[in-house]
Amino acid sequence: KNQVEQSPQSLIILEGKNCTLQCNYTVSPFSNLRWYKQDTGRGPVSLTIMTFSENTKSNGRYTATLDADTKQSSLHITASQLSDSASYICVVSGGGANNLFFGTGTRLTVIP
Amino acid sequence: GAGVSQTPSNKVTEKGKYVELRCDPISGHTALYWYRQSLGQGPEFLIYFQGTGAADDSGLPNDRFFAVRPEGSVSTLKIQRTERGDSAVYLCASSLTSGRETDTQYFGPGTRLTVL
Repeated sequence: KNQVEQSPQSLIILEGKNCTLQCNYTVSPFSNLRWYKQDTGRGPVSLTIMTFSENTKSNGRYTATLDADTKQSSLHITASQLSDSASYICVVSGGGANNLFFGTGTRLTVIP
Repeated sequence: GAGVSQTPSNKVTEKGKYVELRCDPISGHTALYWYRQSLGQGPEFLIYFQGTGAADDSGLPNDRFFAVRPEGSVSTLKIQRTERGDSAVYLCASSLTSGRETDTQYFGPGTRLTVL
């Protein structure tokens, strides 16, 4: 069964600290993996996208890693800011733009 | 430029009523997607358009749900005989093409549907 699991479900960190969010998947075949940031009441916004051959991708303070062998990905946020408070959703493509499998997200709260 | 817009932002209706949700994709984007997101869950795929045609409607939960995109731009998601279980945020996304699997989908803010 194609599944995407994320951990932790929620996370609270102090402003300025780093954190790492995890994504494990069982989607097969695998095409690409995306991380989205979703602010409350807004639609998801793409942060990174990685294909099978890529094992790391950065977007500012966000760095995503991918291990296609173990089917794991992580999103590392450096020097967190209050505006990083959001849900972070891992999305795995099984091939085809409409064949996406969404995780339930990690709810990150950054406190001053 | 303008992003994906959705109207209304909130819709409250009574059980059994008919509702229409509208999506305006980014100009020039040929692919359009509808998703449904329940509280605390990731988006769930409903239907995908390539141009005017529904390329994949396998995510529509039943025949009460229908979507159109008559001119290949604006799309309307239609729900008949609404049920309380239809309450969710309905997200629309568009991408430039769907030919490349790495095309980024740009999401709208969603329409929050509440069925009383």
